[in-house]
Amino acid sequence: LAKTTQPISMDSYEGQEVNITCSHNNIATNDYITWYQQFPSQGPRFIIQGYKTKVTNEVASLFIPADRKSSTLSLPRVSLSDTAVYYCLARSYNTDKLIFGTGTRLQVFP
Amino acid sequence: EAQVTQNPRYLITVTGKKLTVTCSQNMNHEYMSWYRQDPGLGLRQIYYSMNVEVTDKGDVPEGYKVSRKEKRNFPLILESPSPNQTSLYFCASSPEPQGNSPLHFGNGTRLTVT
Repeated sequence: LAKTTQPISMDSYEGQEVNITCSHNNIATNDYITWYQQFPSQGPRFIIQGYKTKVTNEVASLFIPADRKSSTLSLPRVSLSDTAVYYCLARSYNTDKLIFGTGTRLQVFP
Repeated sequence: EAQVTQNPRYLITVTGKKLTVTCSQNMNHEYMSWYRQDPGLGLRQIYYSMNVEVTDKGDVPEGYKVSRKEKRNFPLILESPSPNQTSLYFCASSPEPQGNSPLHFGNGTRLTVT
């Protein structure tokens, strides 16, 4: 099981790009990296997923270097509504147990 | 609408009084799991189920039971709740237990045990 480590918190201002890095040193060959966003009193929701290199969707980009021991979630031009907790998860084929990290609390200021 | 539904959203009970939190998904997902979330500890897995009649312990299973008699339902049972089980609980499902299969979470159940 790949354990993940993230910064506990980050601050940013509206309009800036935010990069949140997740460390997963013991990632397995079959692990995918998935990022989730959680607002207060709501369940986490899927943001983006990748295996290696770069993935981009309408809300974020995900960068995974060749050694796959870390990944970086990039949020372009954040707004106040991006204030949330962000979790990364390494999950493999036929994975039963899942271990989430403590997440990164992003605070966006006006 | 595709969703994971938990009930109740809020529950206050007393020590020792058995309770059940229900979880239902309408997406025909194979994998379902329960988590508790406590301040500073993130999400911790309680139990998971790979498919009907297949369940197993996660990281923090003590004091909890689950069952998976039907594919869509995965109730969480607290036979004798204690104050240390006061927490925010989430149920989640995914199409398959695979790395590229994102989890879909319910909106949570806030449980208080006095």
